[in-house]
Amino acid sequence: AQKVTQAQTEISVVEKEDVTLDCVYETRDTTYYLFWYKQPPSGELVFLIRRNSFDEQNEISGRYSWNFQKSTSSFNFTITASQVVDSAVYFCALSDGTGFQKLVFGTGTRLLVSP
Amino acid sequence: DSGVTQTPKHLITATGQRVTLRCSPRSGDLSVYWYQQSLDQGLQFLIQYYNGEERAKGNILERFSAQQFPDLHSELNLSSLELGDSALYFCASTPGGRGSMSTDTQYFGPGTRLTVL
Repeated sequence: AQKVTQAQTEISVVEKEDVTLDCVYETRDTTYYLFWYKQPPSGELVFLIRRNSFDEQNEISGRYSWNFQKSTSSFNFTITASQVVDSAVYFCALSDGTGFQKLVFGTGTRLLVSP
Repeated sequence: DSGVTQTPKHLITATGQRVTLRCSPRSGDLSVYWYQQSLDQGLQFLIQYYNGEERAKGNILERFSAQQFPDLHSELNLSSLELGDSALYFCASTPGGRGSMSTDTQYFGPGTRLTVL
């Protein structure tokens, strides 16, 4: 069965600090997809990134970067120079590669960025 | 704005009642997914429809049912409501229909917050 673990329940940082959110996954599939979603206080789920199991390239998008390591089954998310607007709950999710399939979510990490 | 719409935004009802949540997918998307977010269970997949047909089922209670209509909007029906059904219910959509071995990104609606008193 697929499983996603986000061991960090809550992280508090001060603005401009860098912060890394951890995500460890379990799957027996050779083809799978990993996602990160952001849930701000307003409650909606905002898509951030999608990565397939064959692409281990790290990705950077502005202040956000993602590190995918199949060897450790991890897909970690780093925010550089955090801002108050980054305060949210961040979810890591896993889906298999057959299409039309459910997302299995981790329990989320609440990030609090204070000024 | 993801392009997925959900109504109503908030719903307050009593135990034993029945409610219907509505979702309109993004233009052109054929698949609709329903998820429940509760404090106890976190974010859980309930059910998926593709072009009017049920495609996958998750931890959906028998008291809950869903359907997708010819115009592709979907409704989630929750009956005999219990206090524990209070949660945020999300709908997501994907194009689907590609038939390839890939997974589309699911874009989520704003959710319906259900409170059962």
